[in-house]
Amino acid sequence: AQTIHQWPVAEIKAVGSPLSLGCTIKGKSSPNLYWYWQATGGTLQQLFYSITVGQVESVVQLNLSASRPKDDQFILSTEKLLLSHSGFYLCAWSPGLGSAETLYFGSGTRLTVL
Amino acid sequence: AQKVTQTQTSISVVEKTTVTMDCVYETRDSSYFLFWYKQTASGEIVFLIRQDSYKKENATVGHYSLNFQKPKSSIGLIITATQIEDSAVYFCAMREGRDNYAQGLTFGLGTRVSVFP
Repeated sequence: AQTIHQWPVAEIKAVGSPLSLGCTIKGKSSPNLYWYWQATGGTLQQLFYSITVGQVESVVQLNLSASRPKDDQFILSTEKLLLSHSGFYLCAWSPGLGSAETLYFGSGTRLTVL
Repeated sequence: AQKVTQTQTSISVVEKTTVTMDCVYETRDSSYFLFWYKQTASGEIVFLIRQDSYKKENATVGHYSLNFQKPKSSIGLIITATQIEDSAVYFCAMREGRDNYAQGLTFGLGTRVSVFP
């Protein structure tokens, strides 16, 4: 069975500080990977997606960047946090076989920027 | 561009009754896929059920079922015999069947369901 692990569970960071969030998918090779962001009480907004190692596409510009250094790993980062970066970050995966795919989400990272 | 609209902000129901949630979508694609997810109090997002646009039969999984009305671009979620643990935020989502499928899902704003004893 596939498992998705996100880290850290929560972060409290200062404005202007760097950030790195990650997720790892086990039990599935070459998955599609996604980063979503959710403001408190809001909807899920897609940030990035990746269909293969080394390739990441941006969907929304929020002064964040993403990378896929390994087939099973997806990293979200920024060098300078803004107050608006606060929220809930979710990593998701899908099998990477076609358009009729369900996304499966990790447990998320709650980020507070002060 | 695809769009998903959930107009009901919150719904309260008594345990063991049925709750229905609305979702309307917009797409120019003839092929698309509709999903419902549940977000629990801990933040966990759980996939519940899906409907593929080419399927005429309404999907059913456990006590979740869908009311797919294609001419109205509507995909309602029905939860029967509700339990306290069904209290959550429910999101409707869509993916178009174009070549850029890898872009992922577009979500609605969510409907908060509260189930009371």
